[in-house]
Amino acid sequence: NAGVTQTPKFQVLKTGQSMTLQCAQDMNHNSMYWYRQDPGMGLRLIYYSASEGTTDKGEVPNGYNVSRLNKREFSLRLESAAPSQTSVYFCASSEIKVDRETQYFGPGTRLLVL
Amino acid sequence: LAKTTQPISMDSYEGQEVNITCSHNNIATNDYITWYQQFPSQGPRFIIQGYKTKVTNEVASLFIPADRKSSTLSLPRVSLSDTAVYYCLVAVKAAGNKLTFGGGTRVLVKP
Repeated sequence: NAGVTQTPKFQVLKTGQSMTLQCAQDMNHNSMYWYRQDPGMGLRLIYYSASEGTTDKGEVPNGYNVSRLNKREFSLRLESAAPSQTSVYFCASSEIKVDRETQYFGPGTRLLVL
Repeated sequence: LAKTTQPISMDSYEGQEVNITCSHNNIATNDYITWYQQFPSQGPRFIIQGYKTKVTNEVASLFIPADRKSSTLSLPRVSLSDTAVYYCLVAVKAAGNKLTFGGGTRVLVKP
């Protein structure tokens, strides 16, 4: 049981280049999320998917697109990278139990846009 | 979404109890209070969640007064490895929960 995995771990892009960040979870969770975290700041929600086949915008969606490929996988795409998108990107999935809801986070992808 | 306010940083020493208070004045009736811990270069990790009164697990305790306008995370007998950023969040327990992470509280545990 690997939990939430993300690839790549680290990426350097030039302004205007595109890339896709991959995320997969093996916990059979319905909901998945993409966050970004800038240095010294809290996490900000980019997009989320409450269930397979649905996606919705979070707090900072501009410049990003997402695809919920299936229940396991949720990808984040930068069509034309900008230096302002330099950040650490975290993917998460969540489970809801009777007594609590928990989001499980991946190890993050560090993105540098030059 | 309820806004939360917590101290920017706190220092403590090994073996002491650390209490972090979070203010959430506009918490809604169905909102839960959740705390996450984040180490450098890692994703946040769930610590504890509660709705009212007191919740305790193997890691921490969460105290929530009757008016629910604040909550206190208590870390008993901290060690150096508890040095991290702690986030207080308030949200409804539901699928596709749009959690809002504030700046968190940086806890530094000294030897």
